Amino acid sequence: DAGITQSPRYKITETGRQVTLMCHQTWSHSYMFWYRQDLGHGLRLIYYSAAADITDKGEVPDGYVVSRSKTENFPLTLESATRSQTSVYFCASSEIGQTYEQYFGPGTRLTVT
Amino acid sequence: GQQLNQSPQSMFIQEGEDVSMNCTSSSIFNTWLWYKQDPGEGPVLLIALYKAGELTSNGRLTAQFGITRKDSFLNISASIPSDVGIYFCAGQRPGTTDSWGKLQFGAGTQVVVTP
Repeated sequence: DAGITQSPRYKITETGRQVTLMCHQTWSHSYMFWYRQDLGHGLRLIYYSAAADITDKGEVPDGYVVSRSKTENFPLTLESATRSQTSVYFCASSEIGQTYEQYFGPGTRLTVT
Repeated sequence: GQQLNQSPQSMFIQEGEDVSMNCTSSSIFNTWLWYKQDPGEGPVLLIALYKAGELTSNGRLTAQFGITRKDSFLNISASIPSDVGIYFCAGQRPGTTDSWGKLQFGAGTQVVVTP
């Protein structure tokens, strides 16, 4: 029972390169989210998805692209990485219904040089 | 951006002491959640609150949903070394279906426990 996993856990890339961060959940949750965590800013929502093929922007979407062809996967792509995108990225999932509880993955630490 | 004010920003306490932290907002919320984050890991849900005035416990942790719906409190009793970490509050504001599931987070409270 893996729950929610992210890969890679650590990534170093160069400015201008494309990077894809993977998120996989085994609960069949409808909602999935991508956050970035930076000192002084806490957790900020990048994109979220209510179901397969339904995605929407969060608070800081610029420079990121998401897709969700399958319920269990929600990859986040940095099309042309910039140093300002150096951060820790967390994926989370939540089930539709009366609760708003989100369950987080272990995170991906991304460094853009 | 963040609309939740979480305090204190950090706490240095001795093992065995009780810990209190709170989260406030100028807006009302219909859900309050408390998370703990260990170094190098993702936040883990500790307690969820859904009704104004609700008081819920999880072991040595107790959280309350403020009666004004604009605040929430987390208490940790008899702290132990493994309580070290960052504690986050998160809230869900009432609104349209477009806002469903979007949580607002506090900046976190860093707890350090000394023997």
